[in-house]
Amino acid sequence: GAVVSQHPSWVICKSGTSVKIECRSLDFQATTMFWYRQFPKQSLMLMATSNEGSKATYEQGVEKDKFLINHASLTLSTLTVTSAHPEDSSFYICSARVVAGTYNEQFFGPGTRLTVL
Amino acid sequence: GQQVMQIPQYQHVQEGEDFTTYCNSSTTLSNIQWYKQRPGGHPVFLIQLVKSGEVKKQKRLTFQFGEAKKNSSLHITATQTTDVGTYFCVTGNQFYFGTGTSLTVIP
Repeated sequence: GAVVSQHPSWVICKSGTSVKIECRSLDFQATTMFWYRQFPKQSLMLMATSNEGSKATYEQGVEKDKFLINHASLTLSTLTVTSAHPEDSSFYICSARVVAGTYNEQFFGPGTRLTVL
Repeated sequence: GQQVMQIPQYQHVQEGEDFTTYCNSSTTLSNIQWYKQRPGGHPVFLIQLVKSGEVKKQKRLTFQFGEAKKNSSLHITATQTTDVGTYFCVTGNQFYFGTGTSLTVIP
């Protein structure tokens, strides 16, 4: 299957700093990528849909000025958590969508664990 | 986003017992997908259901899409320890995750 990578796999930062997370589709092009966050023992919450060459679509309640998404190429989307605070500590997972007719599937990256001190 | 509830939230079974998780949406779905997430891992695609009343099988796993396309189920026959993980249904084209069912299999 298709491979999606994320970098870094984990990061620890001080409160107030910004953190950038990269999501890459390694062997296919993805016009659409998704960003999720997952708290321990909870489901994945969709944060935003990232579209190549256009602005991301954010879910209700997600601050677009805090979670900056850039999808500059068909293989790379980035999520920047600006002025991170301890409550932003979470597991961030990206996915890339493959569509073929009515069939569509998400391939997930391995996730990035963010800890804000 | 869409409200997608799964029951049960947790399920412990003895190895060899069957397991079923149910997914219910507040709205009609264009399609539904199922993913499995192992502890510490990321979700992995299992299957997609598109048609009303559709039933698909993958070895010991049986997936069903309701006639009204608002609910779905995943049934595992004779569970094995390798089945441990959290099973999520994911809706339509928006990829909203259900609340998930965490399966523990006791050897």
